[in-house]
Amino acid sequence: KAGVTQTPRYLIKTRGQQVTLSCSPISGHRSVSWYQQTPGQGLQFLFEYFSETQRNKGNFPGRFSGRQFSNSRSEMNVSTLELGDSALYLCASSLAGAGSYEQYFGPGTRLTVT
Amino acid sequence: AQTVTQSQPEMSVQEAETVTLSCTYDTSESDYYLFWYKQPPSRQMILVIRQEAYKQQNATENRFSVNFQKAAKSFSLKISDSQLGDAAMYFCAYRSAGGGSNYKLTFGKGTLLTVNP
Repeated sequence: KAGVTQTPRYLIKTRGQQVTLSCSPISGHRSVSWYQQTPGQGLQFLFEYFSETQRNKGNFPGRFSGRQFSNSRSEMNVSTLELGDSALYLCASSLAGAGSYEQYFGPGTRLTVT
Repeated sequence: AQTVTQSQPEMSVQEAETVTLSCTYDTSESDYYLFWYKQPPSRQMILVIRQEAYKQQNATENRFSVNFQKAAKSFSLKISDSQLGDAAMYFCAYRSAGGGSNYKLTFGKGTLLTVNP
């Protein structure tokens, strides 16, 4: 099976702009989670989607949003970008069935805000 | 809220030797999952090993094994016969087992492992 894919891999944006990142989960996986990774804060949970519904949300401002499509692909959007949004954004997918609890990560999208 | 602490920011080991990475966590829950993830310089996060809290037996995956001490809330990773390819940042992570909406992973800050030839 193909792994989790994320596009684009690298992105450079200017403060105030918005950005959309995409994540395609492993085939058959229904849960998609997003994480932000920075040197200072480490890995922080953004949100999790299952069957097109957000089930869990981390402590991030409303500028960070996401959605999931019927094929389980997910997008996250960051509006009004700030310098502090520069980070590696990781997507993880999970089967989300009974007894399944492992999450598999994609390669990430490196976002640089200038 | 759960917290995960990795007290060793950096560790080094000689090739073919054994190294143990430490992880402690704080939770009031009785049922949960613990994971070790590896993130090589290429940045792809890879699941190394997992442990269910209700299982007393320590998990083992080839050269990787854990020492899970539930009462002490400790979850260390032992890497035997270390290889150059083991060099990476290692993250300990916690996930609640309660209900179907708990797919949030809480990560430690990571331990950077260097393997010396």
